[in-house]
Amino acid sequence: QQQVKQSPQSLIVQKGGISIINCAYENTAFDYFPWYQQFPGKGPALLIAIRPDVSEKKEGRFTISFNKSAKQFSLHIMDSQPGDSATYFCAEKTGGGNKLTFGTGTQLKVEL
Amino acid sequence: DTGVSQDPRHKITKRGQNVTFRCDPISEHNRLYWYRQTLGQGPEFLTYFQNEAQLEKSRLLSDRFSAERPKGSFSTLEIQRTEQGDSAMYLCASSPGVAKNIQYFGAGTRLSVL
Repeated sequence: QQQVKQSPQSLIVQKGGISIINCAYENTAFDYFPWYQQFPGKGPALLIAIRPDVSEKKEGRFTISFNKSAKQFSLHIMDSQPGDSATYFCAEKTGGGNKLTFGTGTQLKVEL
Repeated sequence: DTGVSQDPRHKITKRGQNVTFRCDPISEHNRLYWYRQTLGQGPEFLTYFQNEAQLEKSRLLSDRFSAERPKGSFSTLEIQRTEQGDSAMYLCASSPGVAKNIQYFGAGTRLSVL
């Protein structure tokens, strides 16, 4: 069912480094691209989201870069902290639709 | 706490038994969603309600699954004749409506079918 390719599957970054997670989509009808953060035993929580008419969106240490022609978007976490260690999911929503289609997730570990 | 509430948090059952989960959305959110998440995967859409109307169902929702939202507030998800393959985390989410796409998730109900 999942139509979103997410990479890498896992990522280890040193404290203070930059974490980069990538997603590629196929359906050009998608009109909303959120990133969710999930800690063990918790539900996913919205981190940041972007629409395809914008190439970049920044909120604090988190930035989404969107490349419409390549059908790719990425999450950058600047100054990564141990508290950022979690699983990150990209997702898409089809224009006019309601459901979110999630990627397979990236398990991020930020080491001291 | 005004977030999405799910009950129970954990459910262990024997194969063939029926189970029911409850979701209480954020107050005044008219949209409610159910997703299923298996280990190492992202959540997969199961079904969606706008108020009390069930407007979309995934083909993942076999005839053993049924969801209701009788008064447009809380929702229940029932699985009949559970199978080991039903073992997963069942997540509920709600959103305010058309103008806002943000879906807020609950902590989920983890089902283990023995």
